[in-house]
This record gives sequence, structure tokens and C-alpha cells, in this order.
Amino acid sequence: GESVGLHLPTLSVQEGDNSIINCAYSNSASDYFIWYKQESGKGPQFIIDIRSNMDKRQGQRVTVLLNKTVKHLSLQIAATQPGDSAVYFCAENYLGGAQKLVFGQGTRLTINP
Amino acid sequence: DAGVTQSPTHLIKTRGQQVTLRCSPKSGHDTVSWYQQALGQGPQFIFQYYEEEERQRGNFPDRFSGHQFPNYSSELNVNALLLGDSALYLCASSPWVGNIQYFGAGTRLSVL
Repeated sequence: GESVGLHLPTLSVQEGDNSIINCAYSNSASDYFIWYKQESGKGPQFIIDIRSNMDKRQGQRVTVLLNKTVKHLSLQIAATQPGDSAVYFCAENYLGGAQKLVFGQGTRLTINP
Repeated sequence: DAGVTQSPTHLIKTRGQQVTLRCSPKSGHDTVSWYQQALGQGPQFIFQYYEEEERQRGNFPDRFSGHQFPNYSSELNVNALLLGDSALYLCASSPWVGNIQYFGAGTRLSVL
């Protein structure tokens, strides 16, 4: 069945360093991917998305890389700040179907001062 | 511009009871999706409403039902509550032709 998973459940980085959060997906029909950030007590917040016809997309301090060959997605956060501490989820969807996002378990990012 | 709003923020029920959760979508959005997020897990899709009809449904029993009103707001109803229904219930809205779903802060349901 469809599934989206993450390689690491937790990640600790030093403030100012770059963070890389990984995600593996299993549904080869998925053609749209989103990264969300969820802080404690809040709902998921959209960070960045990418379609399967792209392999890289950049936002403000964030970059998403997509490798369709190995079904791998990553989120890179540059110059990590304390406010980046949160749980990060990747989610997948098939644009030919309904807007039904399939989420992974999430990675908790902790920033060390 | 208000984002997605959900009410109530917290709710405590006992087994066998029924609960109704409410959601107002982001301005300009006509599609509402509901997700259940167990502690330490990613959100799981329950169902989606557009034009007051259920368009898609995830792997949830019929105890979970919903409704969408003409103003696009939505309700999630859960009957015969079980302990395992304890979770954060998230509402997300989007334009029907859009892809990005915007989430509310959720309703934390505790079933005792």
C-alpha cells in the first residue's frame, strides 16, 4: 500500500549549521510532495512543495530535493535557527486523484545552542 | 485574513459518547479535509468534502461521518467513541483545484 516513511525519527543540530531531513516514499504513482513543520500544540504548517517533474526546488532557507529513481525526498534547512525546532513531516499525493495526503511518521528536529 | 479555525481546542468524552468537531476553512477555500493524528504519528486522512459532498474517504469506520455547509465550513462527527479515538483531529482547507492544504491548530480529543 501507500506509505511515506522517514529514515530518522530525531535529529539534533547546532545552531547555525545546515539540517537535512530525509524521507522515503513507496508509491511510484505519487507525483506531488509537501513538507510540513509542526510545532508543539499547533497544526502542520506548509513549508515547501515539489512536483515529480522537478528534482529541486528552493525557498527561503529551505531546499527540497527529489530523487524519483530511489523514491527519496529530502528537506535542507540552511543556517538552522532555534525557531526551526519542530517535527517535520513529508507527505505525498497523486495529482490525478483526490487531495489525499499520505504522511510519514515525522522527524523531530532539535537545535542545540 | 483568518486561517483555518477549529473548535473546540480541547474536548474530553467518555466511551460510547458522541462528539462533533467544527472547522471553518481559510477564506477563498471550498474544500475541507479531516485528519486524525495519534500521539507521535503523522496525520491520517479521514475524508474530504467539496460542494457539500464527501469526495474521498480514508480507512476509517462508519462511526466517523461529516458534513459540509453552504458556507464551506465543516463538521466531523464521531459516534460510539472508543478509547482509541483519542487523538488530535486536524482540519485542512484548500481550493478544489489547488494542491496545498492549510491546517488548523486541531482539536485535542480525549476519550476516557
